[in-house]
Formats: sequence, structure tokens, C-alpha cells
Amino acid sequence: QKEVEQNSGPLSVPEGAIASLNCTYSDRVSQSFFWYRQYSGKSPELIMSIYSNGDKEDGRFTAQLNKASQYVSLLIRDSQPSDSATYLCAVNLGAGYGGSQGNLIFGKGTKLSVKP
Amino acid sequence: DGGITQSPKYLFRKEGQNVTLSCEQNLNHDAMYWYRQDPGQGLRLIYYSQIVNDFQKGDIAEGYSVSREKKESFPLTVTSAQKNPTAFYLCASSRGTGLNTEAFFGQGTRLTVV
Repeated sequence: QKEVEQNSGPLSVPEGAIASLNCTYSDRVSQSFFWYRQYSGKSPELIMSIYSNGDKEDGRFTAQLNKASQYVSLLIRDSQPSDSATYLCAVNLGAGYGGSQGNLIFGKGTKLSVKP
Repeated sequence: DGGITQSPKYLFRKEGQNVTLSCEQNLNHDAMYWYRQDPGQGLRLIYYSQIVNDFQKGDIAEGYSVSREKKESFPLTVTSAQKNPTAFYLCASSRGTGLNTEAFFGQGTRLTVV
């Protein structure tokens, strides 16, 4: 069983702080890594993708990937109350991977709460 | 606009009735997915298709059926065999191979049994 593990939270941070969200995955053949934000009652929205080791920055968001440790993280700088949501980590194993889990595996999400 | 369209946004089903949820994408994506999400829970895979005219069962396929006759369309039928269908249903699509295989989601369909 391929797994993507996230701390369910809730993770509570004060406004303006850095929020750090972590994700580990079990399958070493994982090729692509994604972070989604899901507001309550809404569908997931892609916010970051990362494909190679290192950091990738986009505005207040930084994704970090370490394939050797099978670890991917998301940092949110200057956290705002509008960042309060559930953050889903996902990995894509690539075409050809099948079975009942498919090739796109999601974690259960970490709920983030940013307090004003 | 490019994207994924799910319809309807809200759907009510009577006991013993089959209903079909629509999912259309104009992103030219090969792969399409159906997920179910229950309150406070993660995404559970129902069915997925990596290419037109082919699809595979996910972890919770029982009581559901799909078709993939066109690349753009991946409708999901919730049959009367699904005993607890009330949930939020999400359709997603992605490129099938290579990099840039991000999945994008539709707005979802909220199904309620009445």
C-alpha cells in the first residue's frame, strides 16, 4: 500500500508567523509532488508543485523536497487568516502505476488555523 | 476558459434511484479521476481513467460505475447498490505522463439522499 502521511493537526499559528506543513511518502518511485489548499466546503486548489530536490518559492509559499528522505514540506511565510484551510499533500507515481490506489496518491490533509 | 466542469453542484437522490454526475474537461488531459469526500475526511478514490476507453476501479468502487467514451468526459453513476451515497464528489484531471502532471479539480457535486 502506497502511503502519503500528514499530521492531521490542527496546526495553529499567529498571524504573521511562518506555518510549516510536512508530508512523507512511502514509494521511492514518486515523481511529482503537489500541495493543495482546500477551504471548507470547496474543492482542492493547487498551490504548489515540485519535481526536483531543493526549494521552490512562489510568493509567500515555499515547497521543499528531499527525495532521499522521502519528505516534502510547505512553508507559508507571513501567514494570514485567509490561509486557514486544510492543506493536502499529493504524489504522482507516473503513468503505468495502477491498482486500486491509482497513480495519484493524496494524504488526508493538515488543517491550518491562523489566528489574528 | 480552460478547466473542469462538474454538474450539478447539488443533487438529491431518492432511495433506490440511480443518478449520474457529470464531469467535463477542456484541458486535453489524458487522466481523469473521481473521488469521494466525507465530512472531515480525506479523498477516497472511486474510479480513474488514464486513457479514453479504459478505466480502473479505485478503493471504493462498489456501487458506482463510470464510462470514458470521450477524452473530455468521465461521468460517474451512483447506483442504488451504493448504500451510503451522501457525500461530496470531486472530479479531477491531469496529464498522464511526464512532468507537469498536476491534477486540477472541478467545483464538486454535493449529493444528498432524501
